[in-house]
Amino acid sequence: DQQVKQNSPSLSVQEGRISILNCDYTNSMFDYFLWYKKYPAEGPTFLISISSIKDKNEDGRFTVFLNKSAKHLSLHIVPSQPGDSAVYFCAAFDSGTYKYIFGTGTRLKVLA
Amino acid sequence: EADIYQTPRYLVIGTGKKITLECSQTMGHDKMYWYQQDPGMELHLIHYSYGVNSTEKGDLSSESTVSRIRTEHFPLTLESARPSHTSQYLCASSEQGLNEKLFFGSGTQLSVL
Repeated sequence: DQQVKQNSPSLSVQEGRISILNCDYTNSMFDYFLWYKKYPAEGPTFLISISSIKDKNEDGRFTVFLNKSAKHLSLHIVPSQPGDSAVYFCAAFDSGTYKYIFGTGTRLKVLA
Repeated sequence: EADIYQTPRYLVIGTGKKITLECSQTMGHDKMYWYQQDPGMELHLIHYSYGVNSTEKGDLSSESTVSRIRTEHFPLTLESARPSHTSQYLCASSEQGLNEKLFFGSGTQLSVL
């Protein structure tokens, strides 16, 4: 029973446009969320995070939005670049167990 | 940025062999984790540790074992590898507090023939 869901397995976006990756969670006790980027045969690299006391966090081209009432977060990348093509994982930190729960990932392809 | 190292990067072995996947970090992190990941799937937690001499099984049943004798070192051992163990194994670490970033190594891609 997945507690963190990324319902779009893949997304294609034109270079220069906005990429929006979505993530839903079921456990209202999750209070810290992270986004990771992963290339094949490599480990995930941290992109951006957000605490539940905020509804937005921005870092350069990356912005994460959190809607606690909907248990939904999204990652916006603007403008998208071909180098952004990778798999993006959403993760939630469970402060009760100190575990990080990951979604299944969304494969982003940015077309030149 | 992340000082966490995994060896080997790639490993192809025959069924029945014993293998150890190495993971070391130089950040002094107390918490360390092993995840297993297959294409199109989420990262599954198979083992974790809160510090020296602390090891716990994760959410995904695994036939592997781990040890944590030193803070910086968290090796994973498979006593008898099987084709079903073919996967990517990812080691990670974080600081002790709440709401900390998880840092990953480069992973070990294991293929069991």
